[in-house]
Amino acid sequence: GQNIDQPTEMTATEGAIVQINCTYQTSGFNGLFWYQQHAGEAPTFLSYNVLDGLEEKGRFSSFLSRSKGYSYLLLKELQMKDSASYLCAVMDSNYQLIWGAGTKLIIKP
Amino acid sequence: TAGITQAPTSQILAAGRSMTLRCTQDMRHNAMYWYRQDLGLGLRLIHYSNTAGTTGKGEVPDGYSVSRANTDDFPLTLASAVPSQTSVYFCASSDSSGTGQDEQFFGPGTRLTVL
Repeated sequence: GQNIDQPTEMTATEGAIVQINCTYQTSGFNGLFWYQQHAGEAPTFLSYNVLDGLEEKGRFSSFLSRSKGYSYLLLKELQMKDSASYLCAVMDSNYQLIWGAGTKLIIKP
Repeated sequence: TAGITQAPTSQILAAGRSMTLRCTQDMRHNAMYWYRQDLGLGLRLIHYSNTAGTTGKGEVPDGYSVSRANTDDFPLTLASAVPSQTSVYFCASSDSSGTGQDEQFFGPGTRLTVL
């Protein structure tokens, strides 16, 4: 079966750095996405990785290792507005997205 | 720019009744999707459409039907609602090029409660 695993909840301090991990087992791989979802709102796109390595976008970076079935999202200089759920999703061989349950990130002052 | 709109925002529905959730996008995206999101679970694909005139079944299609008469609209119908269909429903679209690098844009969601 297809499976995406990520921690249910994480807590971090404002101004700090946090790493959210995602491991996956899917039938085929056509890229990995990270989305942000604030409570009561729609998911919004953060990043896309298809090749191994690190993609950096401002305060957010995403890393992929295809051989390990592993990705992480790195958030630097945390701000209170970063409190949200972070969703990992893998595009399988049929170009369908398989979604993890999301990691709720709580930022404390 | 509207992007994707969904209606209604929320609804309470009696079990056994039918209902159509509406979704409209103005980005001329060829692909559209319906997901449900339940606490503790990832987004689950109900139905999708790769282009106007075609639809396909996702992971959890039972009890739902869709149509795609044109590019912009992708309604989701519950023929006879059951309490297990209580969920938040998201419509999404993408400019699917088949390369994989096609981010999906989401509507604001419809919160449905079936009693």
